[in-house]
Amino acid sequence: DTGVSQDPRHKITKRGQNVTFRCDPISEHNRLYWYRQTLGQGPEFLTYFQNEAQLEKSRLLSDRFSAERPKGSFSTLEIQRTEQGDSAMYLCASSLPILETQYFGPGTRLLVL
Amino acid sequence: AQSVTQLGSHVSVSEGALVLLRCNYSSSVPPYLFWYVQYPNQGLQLLLKYTTGATLVKGINGFEAEFKKSETSFHLTKPSAHMSDAAEYFCAVTYTGTASKLTFGTGTRLQVTL
Repeated sequence: DTGVSQDPRHKITKRGQNVTFRCDPISEHNRLYWYRQTLGQGPEFLTYFQNEAQLEKSRLLSDRFSAERPKGSFSTLEIQRTEQGDSAMYLCASSLPILETQYFGPGTRLLVL
Repeated sequence: AQSVTQLGSHVSVSEGALVLLRCNYSSSVPPYLFWYVQYPNQGLQLLLKYTTGATLVKGINGFEAEFKKSETSFHLTKPSAHMSDAAEYFCAVTYTGTASKLTFGTGTRLQVTL
């Protein structure tokens, strides 16, 4: 069990650029979650996958955000035309089926200049 | 909608003193409750969780929490604080039928002084 990994750990970009983050869950976990955490706040749910199916998206996830999990293993979160308000920590978590513990990765900290 | 309230954004205790971090939730159905700890620039680590059964839950690093349905509370305690406990602590809730997505409180930053 190597834990949840995320790449990159830090990303600085200019407003209007596109960015993509990757999450590798714990290997046997079929559920994968994305959360966003802004300074001084708790994480907020963005979206989740069961295997390769994206089953729910938060209203926080605007049209500029897209997430994929093509083979039910790793996932990517892309933000198009970044805005300064997108600056945050993006956290990925994985779990076994419903109501089991979510294990979090170290996060990707995004700064949009 | 489910929600979590953490009273006190900052708590300061002396090393060796009791730690008490407060968490209240709103619910119309039985909740599943969690406490996570976050160290600077890191992800979240699970301290403990309540699903069903015994209402006093023991976690890692000497922490424990008690689920009190009548008070809709799930306060986190530790008898004796250690310098290494200084971190941000988050209470979270989920419910059956919510696909296990967690709703977090705003967090409590614990400071431990000598």
